[in-house]
Order: sequence, then structure tokens, then C-alpha cells
Amino acid sequence: SQELEQSPQSLIVQEGKNLTINCTSSKTLYGLYWYKQKYGEGLIFLMMLQKGGEEKSHEKITAKLDEKKQQSSLHITASQPSHAGIYLCGADGGAGTASKLTFGTGTRLQVTL
Amino acid sequence: GAVVSQHPSRVICKSGTSVKIECRSLDFQATTMFWYRQFPKKSLMLMATSNEGSKATYEQGVEKDKFLINHASLTLSTLTVTSAHPEDSSFYICSAPPGRGRDTQYFGPGTRLTVL
Repeated sequence: SQELEQSPQSLIVQEGKNLTINCTSSKTLYGLYWYKQKYGEGLIFLMMLQKGGEEKSHEKITAKLDEKKQQSSLHITASQPSHAGIYLCGADGGAGTASKLTFGTGTRLQVTL
Repeated sequence: GAVVSQHPSRVICKSGTSVKIECRSLDFQATTMFWYRQFPKKSLMLMATSNEGSKATYEQGVEKDKFLINHASLTLSTLTVTSAHPEDSSFYICSAPPGRGRDTQYFGPGTRLTVL
């Protein structure tokens, strides 16, 4: 079965600082999803990556998938308190969006003033 | 955009009772829905795949008699936690893929179950 390991497990950054979260898969990734969750709430979709070397950006968040499709990173530029939450990477089973997702271990982000 | 709702958002029940959680796709049809469970400060773990018109597929280690899933229509899946015990207390989230051409699954807001 596929396993996703995220690092770091938790992160505290000062507002305005940049940060990177990594997601490493035990198998080749077909589709890699990034979600944000506030504790006790649902998931907010951030981005999906499929192709090796792909990079997508939305506002101050950039996600990349490496050429070998086994590692992804999420980079936040000039962090704000609104970025605080739990970031989860998820991988589908290869059947696209209709497939169940395996989630990473999660990264808890706190942004201090 | 596509939306998935869950009801109730929170439920507290006594040990031994059964609790039903609904997951609805509001503006699209979903032949498949997924149920996840999340323990405090942990990631989401897939419990089962709900299939409209056929039996649910359970992940290894998930008791199908404990967690009954019924995909009643193309917009509704229900998860019933039978004879709930305190160890069943958790955050349950459903998701539904909106179909081809979309690049994400849509997740419900989750249901927090507390069993006393």
C-alpha cells in the first residue's frame, strides 16, 4: 500500500516568513493533492499535481511535484495568520479523481504575529 | 461549485446507541463516495468506499457490521455507527468525486461524534 510521509510534523513561523512543507511517497504518484484543514473542520482543496516537474501557484502558495513523481513540496510565501491550519497531501490510486485518497501524516502550521 | 454536505455536524450519544451520519452531494451526482475517519491530531484514514446500487467496500481492519454504509441514491450516502462505544468517538468526513474533468474531490465539513 502507498504511504505518504510529511515533514515537518509541525511548524511555527513568524508572520511574513516563507515556509516549505514536504510530502514523500513510497510509490510513484499518479495524482497528488494538497488540502488545508482547520482542526475539526472539512478539507479545503488547494492544488492537484499530476505531471513530473509540474508546478502550480495560487495566491501565495506554490506546489511542486518532482520529476520522479515521488515527492511534492508546498511553499508559502510571506505567511499570514490565515495560513494557519493543518496541511495534508493526498494521493489517488491512479484512477483519477474517482479514486480513493491516501493521506499523508499532516503538517500543523502556526503563524505568529 | 460542487458542494458536499454532512449532517449532523456534531453528535453526542450514549454507549450502545446507534448514530447515523448523512453525506449529500448538493449539485452533482456521485455514484461513489468515500468515508474517512480522523482521530485528534492525526491524518485522515479511509474507512470505506460507498457505491450506489451495490455493497460498500471496506478497508482492512474496518468492521463492516459496526460501520454500516448505505448509498441510497446518487446524492446520498449514510454511515451508521452501530452500538457506539467511546472508542468510536472521532471526526468522520465524507468525500465525493464530481466526475470527469474535475481536478479534485469534494469533502464534506465533517461530523464530530462523541460517545459517552
